[in-house]
Order: sequence, then structure tokens, then C-alpha cells
Amino acid sequence: AQSVAQPEDQVNVAEGNPLTVKCTYSVSGNPYLFWYVQYPNRGLQFLLKYITGDNLVKGSYGFEAEFNKSQTSFHLKKPSALVSDSALYFCAVRDGATNKLIFGTGTLLAVQP
Amino acid sequence: NAGVMQNPRHLVRRRGQEARLRCSPMKGHSHVYWYRQLPEEGLKFMVYLQKENIIDESGMPKERFSAEFPKEGPSILRIQQVVRGDSAAYFCAGGAGYDGANVLTFGAGSRLTVL
Repeated sequence: AQSVAQPEDQVNVAEGNPLTVKCTYSVSGNPYLFWYVQYPNRGLQFLLKYITGDNLVKGSYGFEAEFNKSQTSFHLKKPSALVSDSALYFCAVRDGATNKLIFGTGTLLAVQP
Repeated sequence: NAGVMQNPRHLVRRRGQEARLRCSPMKGHSHVYWYRQLPEEGLKFMVYLQKENIIDESGMPKERFSAEFPKEGPSILRIQQVVRGDSAAYFCAGGAGYDGANVLTFGAGSRLTVL
């Protein structure tokens, strides 16, 4: 069965510092991987996806993610964090058989000024 | 394009009442997914529908919950005889088809509180 794991419930980072939000996956076949962000009392917004091609994927708001097949990881990164990046981040994998998105438990990113 | 519209945004029900949550996907999106987000938990898949068809309902409780996506009108998630444990945020997402690379677009959610 397809699954993703987000090992950190919360990540704290100072504004201006680089940030990393971790995600590992378990899939059979080629993975379709996604990152979404959720601001308080809002729905999920798409950030980026990996389908095939370059391992480094660039997305919205300056975020990027690196697909690493040997480590089965898809970590979300940003070179310089902003206070406004503080939100809940979800990693997800597409289930090839049923087409649904399977989400991780989410990581709360807190950026301190 | 108004995006995915969900209503009501907030719904309060007493135990035993019925809750109906509606979702209108974006134009061109014929596939709808419903997810539930419980406090302190992630998003759990409930059901996947195409117009007039349920494709996958493996995440939906067998009793009291039902979903439909009629040929005309919004998708409806119906919860009968609600209990306190049904209190959660319910999100709907729309997609354009069976291509796994398609991005799902989420609505702002409907927050159900059961008293």
C-alpha cells in the first residue's frame, strides 16, 4: 500500500534561515508525490509535485523539494524562511490504483521573527 | 473561476440530527474527493466520486455516511444521526480526470460541530 510519513510534528526555524520539512514515502512503482500547505481555517493549497524528470522540483512561494529515490524521500525546502510561511504542511502520494491522494500527518512549521 | 466552493462553512448540529455538506468543484473538474480532518490528525480519505458514480468509498464509514455527485448540481456528503465523534473539518477536492499527475484543488472546508 502507498503511504507517506512525516516524522516531525513541528519544525521551528528563525526567519531568514533555511528550512526543511521531511517526508518519506513507500510506494510500489513510480511515485507521484505532492506537497500542500494549509493556513489556519483554510483549505489546502498546492505547492509542488514530482511526477518524473528532474529530482529538484520548484514550486510556489519559493519552495522546492528534492526527490531522492535511494532514500525514498521527498523533503520540502526553502533557502530563507519567512514568518508568513508558518502553516501546516502536508506531503502526499497518489495511489496509482484508486487515484486518491494519501496524506501524511502533517508538519507544523513555525517561523520566528 | 471561483474555485472549489463548499457550504456551509460552519455547521452546528445536535446529536441525532442530519448534516449535509455540499461541494461544487471547479468548472471542468468531473471528479470529487472528500476528506475528513480531525483535530490533531491528518487528512483521511473518505470517498472518491465521478458524476453519478462512486469510484472508491473505502474510507467512508459503512453506517450513517453517504455521498453522491449527481449529473447536475453539487456533490453532497450526508451524515445521518450525527454523534460527537463526527465533529471535524470536511474537505472536498476536485480533479479533472484519471491522470495521477493531475493536481487536486481543495475547497476551504466545512466545519461540523456536534453538540
